[in-house]
Amino acid sequence: AQSVTQPDIHITVSEGASLELRCNYSYGATPYLFWYVQSPGQGLQLLLKYFSGDTLVQGIKGFEAEFKRSQSSFNLRKPSVHWSDAAEYFCAVGVGGSGYNKLIFGAGTRLAVHP
Amino acid sequence: EAGVAQSPRYKIIEKRQSVAFWCNPISGHATLYWYQQILGQGPKLLIQFQNNGVVDDSQLPKDRFSAERLKGVDSTLKIQPAKLEDSAVYLCASKGGAGTGELFFGEGSRLTVL
Repeated sequence: AQSVTQPDIHITVSEGASLELRCNYSYGATPYLFWYVQSPGQGLQLLLKYFSGDTLVQGIKGFEAEFKRSQSSFNLRKPSVHWSDAAEYFCAVGVGGSGYNKLIFGAGTRLAVHP
Repeated sequence: EAGVAQSPRYKIIEKRQSVAFWCNPISGHATLYWYQQILGQGPKLLIQFQNNGVVDDSQLPKDRFSAERLKGVDSTLKIQPAKLEDSAVYLCASKGGAGTGELFFGEGSRLTVL
């Protein structure tokens, strides 16, 4: 069955510290992987995506993620966190059809940033 | 380019009442999705339309939820009668076509059932 696991429900970091959010997926075919961010009262905004090729992908707002097929992981990283990064982060896998036609989401990781 | 529009943003109802949410996708997007996001959980797909046809409604509680996409443009999601556990944010999203295009999400409609 297709699924996404985000092991950390809540993470707190200090401003300026590095960040890594974990994501593991289960999908039998070539995975299309995504990270979305959701600020309070807002919809989901795409941070980055992996379809193929280079396993290290760059996204918006200084985020990057690394696809590791052997570990079925797609962890999100940022070298220096800003207070404005406090939000909820969702990892998703795209499934079905040519390319993908729907997303399956993990439960999310809520990030808090201390000044 | 206008994004995905949803209304209302907030709705409070009592259990057993009915409610409807409206979504207008990005112009030209053939695929439209309704996701349910319960507090503390990730979004869960309720129904997917391709133009005005249903592609996937396997997780839609059909005894109380219904959705339509007349003319293949905007869509309405209805809940009747509502239960306490229907309290959630209902997210609409649209995608331009097959392949690897991006899903764009609206800001959501937050439902509270008392």
